[in-house]
Amino acid sequence: EPEVTQTPSHQVTQMGQEVILRCVPISNHLYFYWYRQILGQKVEFLVSFYNNEISEKSEIFDDQFSVERPDGSNFTLKIRSTKLEDSAMYFCASSDRTKLNEQFFGPGTRLTVL
Amino acid sequence: QKEVEQNSGPLSVPEGAIASLNCTYSDRGSQSFFWYRQYSGKSPELIMFIYSNGDKEDGRFTAQLNKASQYVSLLIRDSQPSDSATYLCAVRAGGFKTIFGAGTRLFVKA
Repeated sequence: EPEVTQTPSHQVTQMGQEVILRCVPISNHLYFYWYRQILGQKVEFLVSFYNNEISEKSEIFDDQFSVERPDGSNFTLKIRSTKLEDSAMYFCASSDRTKLNEQFFGPGTRLTVL
Repeated sequence: QKEVEQNSGPLSVPEGAIASLNCTYSDRGSQSFFWYRQYSGKSPELIMFIYSNGDKEDGRFTAQLNKASQYVSLLIRDSQPSDSATYLCAVRAGGFKTIFGAGTRLFVKA
């Protein structure tokens, strides 16, 4: 069964460093999303992406964040100048254009900022 | 601030019983309503979604929506120990932004 994959599974970085989290959505999906979940807290929407542009973003998704689809398979989230409070699990999700309500989540990348 | 509220639990039910999970939301413009299951340390997994008032059944799961009361519920029939997880309610008001509740922890006792 097709699935969303994410790399790395765990990323440790120093405060102020840049990180790139990578996702490979399900191959025929055209809508992509990033969410984060701080330990013990709610899942929070960050951004949705379609047709090579951001379709919607939350107030969390400020200038520190950017997304890109560098090729036909990868979808990345870049966090510039990481802060301690960026430590969280980051989930990528994708959905088919005919079934937008069905978002398939990847296993997540745990980001730890020291 | 648009909110989705859930009782954090834990909700404990015996195996074979019906588990009832509830959720309220603040935005009357919400159009789509979702229930996800999240096992500890894992990603959310969509159980079902509903967008019309009334009931929607899928196997052992039934979602219920009452827009007038801004209330969504999930019933799990014949609960199994493998159903033990955190259940996340989520809503979307059109567009792509999905707002999640904090989740209800369900424990099914064998």
